[in-house]
Amino acid sequence: DTAVSQTPKYLVTQMGNDKSIKCEQNLGHDTMYWYKQDSKKFLKIMFSYNNKELIINETVPNRFSPKSPDKAHLNLHINSLELGDSAVYFCASSPPGAYEQYFGPGTRLTVT
Amino acid sequence: DAKTTQPTSMDCAEGRAANLPCNHSTISGNEYVYWYRQIHSQGPQYIIHGLKNNETNEMASLIITEDRKSSTLILPHATLRDTAVYYCIRSSGDKLTFGTGTRLAVRP
Repeated sequence: DTAVSQTPKYLVTQMGNDKSIKCEQNLGHDTMYWYKQDSKKFLKIMFSYNNKELIINETVPNRFSPKSPDKAHLNLHINSLELGDSAVYFCASSPPGAYEQYFGPGTRLTVT
Repeated sequence: DAKTTQPTSMDCAEGRAANLPCNHSTISGNEYVYWYRQIHSQGPQYIIHGLKNNETNEMASLIITEDRKSSTLILPHATLRDTAVYYCIRSSGDKLTFGTGTRLAVRP
C-alpha cells in the first residue's frame, strides 16, 4: 500500500549513459514533482506536473526530461549523465487544491 | 534562498516537548508556513502548515506569532523516532524551497 513509490532505489552508472527513474503514486493526486538532494543535503525542486501538464521547470539542464504518461506517473529521464548528477532524487505528489506534498523514498544515483 | 532562519541543531529528552523555532520575518501575506522533516535516508515527510492561526494535528502543533514573522513547531512528547532534520518553509504555492533545517536529536 505504498503511497509514492520510486524505482530503482539505487542506480549506479557510468558517465555518458542515459537512465530513467520511475515514480508512481496511488493517492489520486493531480500534481507530481521531482526534487534533487545533493551531497550537501540541499533539496531543490526540479519539475512539477499537474494532470500531465508541466507547471514548474526550474533551471535544470535539458539533459533532464520528465515524462508523465498519466497523472499517476512521473518519470525522469536523464541523458548523457555527468558526475555532478550524482544525488538522491525524490518524487512527490500533492492532492488537488492542497499544497502539502508526499514524498517517495528516493533514488540514489551514482555516476562513476 | 530559503528565506527562513532556523537553528542548526537542537536536542531534547525523550518524552519532553520539542520546540523548534523558525524566523520568517519577510513573509508575504499570501505565504503559508510549512513544516517538513526528513529522517535519515528517507524522503521528507509533511508535518503541518498554517497561514496565521495556530494549528494542531496528530503529529504536532504550529504556533504562529500574530505578526507572522516567526513560528514554532511543537512536538508534544518527543520520541527517539522524532530524531530528524526539520524544515520550516514559506510558500504561496506548490513550490517548496528547502533550507538547511534544524537537526533535532532526541536523547533517551
